[in-house]
This record gives sequence, structure tokens and C-alpha cells, in this order.
Amino acid sequence: GQQVMQIPQYQHVQEGEDFTTYCNSSTTLSNIQWYKQRPGGHPVFLIQLVKSGEVKKQKRLTFQFGEAKKNSSLHITATQTTDVGTYFCAGPNSGYALNFGKGTSLLVTP
Amino acid sequence: DAGITQSPRHKVTETGTPVTLRCHQTENHRYMYWYRQDPGHGLRLIHYSYGVKDTDKGEVSDGYSVSRSKTEDFLLTLESATSSQTSVYFCAISAQGLNTEAFFGQGTRLTVV
Repeated sequence: GQQVMQIPQYQHVQEGEDFTTYCNSSTTLSNIQWYKQRPGGHPVFLIQLVKSGEVKKQKRLTFQFGEAKKNSSLHITATQTTDVGTYFCAGPNSGYALNFGKGTSLLVTP
Repeated sequence: DAGITQSPRHKVTETGTPVTLRCHQTENHRYMYWYRQDPGHGLRLIHYSYGVKDTDKGEVSDGYSVSRSKTEDFLLTLESATSSQTSVYFCAISAQGLNTEAFFGQGTRLTVV
């Protein structure tokens, strides 16, 4: 089935540093979604990107969808300890469900 | 948070026993999903439902079955639990499938001993 690959698997940063996670698909995606999961919690929806080349911002978070709609990225500017968690991208499968990447776990040290 | 309740939240069971996990929603969403989460594997789709009595398999469906006899409930059954099914199981719901956000339940931690 259609898969999305996510890198890096882990990232450890000092508070105030920037962070980026990348998501890649071998096939064109109709849309891509991003979720955040805090330690011990459940995934929570962040955003959906639909258009080629789309860029959306949520405060310190910037989401991009590639021109070919095969890749996406999430960039966090000036990380804070509240950003700790695992960030997942998800793309549609051939049916009615989402296939999730393996996630990038972010650790922020004060 | 969306109205999703998973039960039980924690369960320890023995190898070879059947186990049923329940997902209950109060949002009247059409789509319901079961994922499992394991270290290093992210979230993997087990089964999903796109309507009452309409279900389909995900990438890790072997050893699992599902049923959806009414909109609000989606049951996941491990027919004969194995240690490899020790995991955290998440139920999710969505109003319009792929085009809208998915809301996740709190998860069920299942240990098979």
C-alpha cells in the first residue's frame, strides 16, 4: 500500500533552536495531514495541506506541501519545551483511511 | 476533545484468549478506524469502517476482526491473542474520511502474557 516515510526518527534540540521534520511519499498525495502526540497521549490533528506548493503557518510552526505533492515538511522556529512530542504526517491510502509515517520524536532540553 | 471513548483503557490477557476492544463515539461520524502503535513503527492501520456493516482491512489486519453494527460502536476482536499483539490500540473517527481530520481516542494498552 501507499506509504509515507518520515525523517528523522528522533531529534534532540536545545530550547530556542529550530526543528524540521520531513515526510516523503513515492506517489502523489491528494492531501497530507500532520498530527502531534504528546508523551503518554493520543495523536492530535494539527493541519491539512491540499494544494501543490501550499504553505501554512500556525504561530511558530510552518507546514509546506511540495510542488509535486509527494513531500511535506514541518518546521518549528525557536522550539519550546511545550513542543516535546512525536510529530506524524499522514497521507491517504487507496481506501478511506490514512497511512501514518513512523513519526519524528522531538526532545527539547531547557 | 471529540466524543470518543475506548474501553477498556488497560488490559492484561493470556495468550490464546479472545479479546474485544470497544470504541464508542457520540459524534455520528461515518468513518471509524483502529490503529496500533508500537515503538519504531508509528501508527499502523488494522481495520477501518466507512459505514455500518462496511469494513475494510488495513496493513496489519491478520489476527484481528472488527464489527460495526451501529454508527456509534466499532469493535476490535483479537481472535486468539498472541504476545506480538501487545501494543497500544487507538480508535479514531472522521466525518469525511480522507478529507477531514481524524479524532483519536485515549488508547487502550493491551498486554498479552
